[in-house]
Amino acid sequence: AQTVTQSQPEMSVQEAETVTLSCTYDTSESDYYLFWYKQPPSRQMILVIRQEAYKQQNATENRFSVNFQKAAKSFSLKISDSQLGDAAMYFCAYRTYRGSTLGRLYFGRGTQLTVWP
Amino acid sequence: GAGVSQSPSNKVTEKGKDVELRCDPISGHTALYWYRQRLGQGLEFLIYFQGNSAPDKSGLPSDRFSAERTGESVSTLTIQRTQQEDSAVYLCASSPDQRGTYNEQFFGPGTRLTVL
Repeated sequence: AQTVTQSQPEMSVQEAETVTLSCTYDTSESDYYLFWYKQPPSRQMILVIRQEAYKQQNATENRFSVNFQKAAKSFSLKISDSQLGDAAMYFCAYRTYRGSTLGRLYFGRGTQLTVWP
Repeated sequence: GAGVSQSPSNKVTEKGKDVELRCDPISGHTALYWYRQRLGQGLEFLIYFQGNSAPDKSGLPSDRFSAERTGESVSTLTIQRTQQEDSAVYLCASSPDQRGTYNEQFFGPGTRLTVL
């Protein structure tokens, strides 16, 4: 079974600074998707960014970018120019590309990000 | 358009009682998922619907848990004889078509279940 590990339960960053959240995963598959979700106190899960494993180029979405290292099975999220509104729980997630478990997401335990003014 | 909605927002029940949690997916979304989020944990997959059939219910933790879906519309997650370890936030998500190469899952706000 696929497992997703987030080794940083908590992180903090000063407003306008850059922070990197770590994620590793374990899989025997070659094709899959990886995601970062944000969950503010409202509990609403919001997709921040996704990466297709077959793409070598790292995904970027405005201030959010990833460092995808397929061989190392590592998928970190970099938040640049941090804003107060970035404060939330961040989850790394994995989804298979094909097969019987297609569609289900496997989540890490999350990293609570605090942004200081 | 409306997003995924869930009701109730919060539910407090006594141990041993049955509870029903409701999810209204985004109109037209054929795939629907239920996840459970225990305090301080990530989300655990429970069950997936394609239309009104459930090709993957491998995440249901016990036979006290069941779910059904009416067509491509509302889904109900039922927990019978609730236990304290069932206390969690139950999240529902829907996506346009499970069988495509990629379809984003849109999440509802969840139902916080507390079993006393």
